[in-house]
Amino acid sequence: GAGVSQSPSNKVTEKGKDVELRCDPISGHTALYWYRQSLGQGLEFLIYFQGNSAPDKSGLPSDRFSAERTGGSVSTLTIQRTQQEDSAVYLCASQAGPLYNEQFFGPGTRLTVL
Amino acid sequence: DAKTTQPTSMDCAEGRAANLPCNHSTISGNEYVYWYRQIHSQGPQYIIHGLKNNETNEMASLIITEDRKSSTLILPHATLRDTAVYYCIVRLRDSSYKLIFGSGTRLLVRP
Repeated sequence: GAGVSQSPSNKVTEKGKDVELRCDPISGHTALYWYRQSLGQGLEFLIYFQGNSAPDKSGLPSDRFSAERTGGSVSTLTIQRTQQEDSAVYLCASQAGPLYNEQFFGPGTRLTVL
Repeated sequence: DAKTTQPTSMDCAEGRAANLPCNHSTISGNEYVYWYRQIHSQGPQYIIHGLKNNETNEMASLIITEDRKSSTLILPHATLRDTAVYYCIVRLRDSSYKLIFGSGTRLLVRP
């Protein structure tokens, strides 16, 4: 079956521009997570959605980062006024529900801020 | 912060068992041990998890010590496709169940 998909796969932008990253979770999965992985770094949690609400936003690094989820499905991560330190691979994962064990990760979006 | 300690890198020969250790000495009673792996340029992949009993699935076995302060992931017959970074994660089953990744172990399977 279809897994988690993310778009675009690569995004190059100029410093100061806004970007939107999209995640399509596995159909029916109510839990959705965003992580990012900077070059040479481990994976860092950003935000968690259960349905359309985000009870855990503790990983968002600044107020330039925001995310939303609509219809309990697609999620968009928005980065405003991008900085070079925002360059990273942004990964989305979905999970059937909060009590399930396995998170299914998408292939990621590689963001490069020039 | 990650609550686990893993060797930076390991290697093993193809066809042999790969035993990846993990220390989690501060684990608490309601925290599970999860293992994920990340093959180059891909998203992480779930392997196995456990609380206190040993677990086995089609991918691997997980051995957790009786005091739960350490565990070992066993890939019984490693193949070249098992070359990846392996993450041992202590996961609190709180409201978000987020994964806190450490630096992991880079496993190289040699032909």
